[in-house]
Parts: sequence; C-alpha cells; structure tokens
Amino acid sequence: DAGVIQSPRHEVTEMGQEVTLRCKPISGHDYLFWYRQTMMRGLELLIYFNNNVPIDDSGMPEDRFSAKMPNASFSTLKIQPSEPRDSAVYFCASSPGVDEQFFGPGTRLTVL
Amino acid sequence: GQQLNQSPQSMFIQEGEDVSMNCTSSSIFNTWLWYKQDPGEGPVLLIALYKAGELTSNGRLTAQFGITRKDSFLNISASIPSDVGIYFCSGGGADGLTFGKGTHLIIQP
Repeated sequence: DAGVIQSPRHEVTEMGQEVTLRCKPISGHDYLFWYRQTMMRGLELLIYFNNNVPIDDSGMPEDRFSAKMPNASFSTLKIQPSEPRDSAVYFCASSPGVDEQFFGPGTRLTVL
Repeated sequence: GQQLNQSPQSMFIQEGEDVSMNCTSSSIFNTWLWYKQDPGEGPVLLIALYKAGELTSNGRLTAQFGITRKDSFLNISASIPSDVGIYFCSGGGADGLTFGKGTHLIIQP
C-alpha cells in the first residue's frame, strides 16, 4: 500500500514568492494533519482536517499560511508571501482516528 | 498548551547496550505513542499505548503507559546500528497529538 505522498520533496524559493505544498493521504483515512519541524521548535501541528473539514487551525502561524482539502485524497498548504523564517520541513500525516498518525516523507522548504 | 518533557535529549551508547528514554507531562493524556525518525524521512510509528499501566512490546522495543497517565517510557534492548535516529514520544488528547522534542540515539560500534 502506498503511504502518505508529499510533493515536492525539496523546495527552494526566494522571499516573497508563493509556495504550495501538496499531500495525498492514505486512502480511507479520515484525518489529515500538517506539521512543521524545525530544530528550535521541534514538531508543531499547524492544522488538521476531519473528513475534509478544517477542525483546528490554531497552529497556523499567521495569515500568510492557508490550507485546503478539496477532497478526501488531496490537500495543499500554501504560504504567500514566503519569508526566510518559514524555512523548515513540512510534514503531512493521515490517520483513521486522531491518534496513530502516518507521516509522509516531508517537504524541505528553504526560503532565501 | 500541553507540553511534554522528553529525556534524555541525546544518548551515546555502545552497540549491544540497552536504551531507556522517557516522557513526562503535567497534563493527562489518553494515549501515548512512540515514533522514530530517520534522517530525511518522516516519523514512523513504533508503539501505541491506550490504557494507563499498559506495557507493550514490539520486538526489542518495550513501552509503558504510566499509571498516572502523565508519563511513558520506551526501552530498546540489545541495540543495533539501525536503531540510530531520533525517537519522539507523543501524547494524545482532545487536541490531537503533542510531541516531545525527541531523543537522539547515537550508537558507537
């Protein structure tokens, strides 16, 4: 079975540019999570969806960040405009329930 | 928000040694999960615990859900080189999962 798929695996962009990260969850999983990982702050939950509906977005840093889940098999995390402090590894995870989350390989974002 | 204190932050051990790491919190959690992350990859679930006092094994790994529901430990017996990585504890509650900062395990041959 395919796990969680994320694209791109690496993204290098310049400050001010729009960045879109993509995620395909495991089929049949009702929950989808977006995390950010940095050395300083560790793993931080940004937002999660249940049945395509955003449930908790309190971890989204600011209005520059937005996430959508138009259907059960696709989600995007967008940063517009991007800033150097957004540089991190962004993970998507899915799960049949809130626990036992399965993580994707991550997108390493570098904003110059 | 809820916070987890994971220790130790890093461990340097010899191959074959046993390893022990733990997480504590001032908050009660309904579940405890342990993940391992290899370089360049996402965390992978190792063990999930659902009941206070529960002791669960997965091969050479053993984890326990503390009786107070505020702590958990993970033991690895007879470590091997592929055990190298970062181990994360996570507590599950109404707000989803809260992650510890991780324990870096380094094994010297």
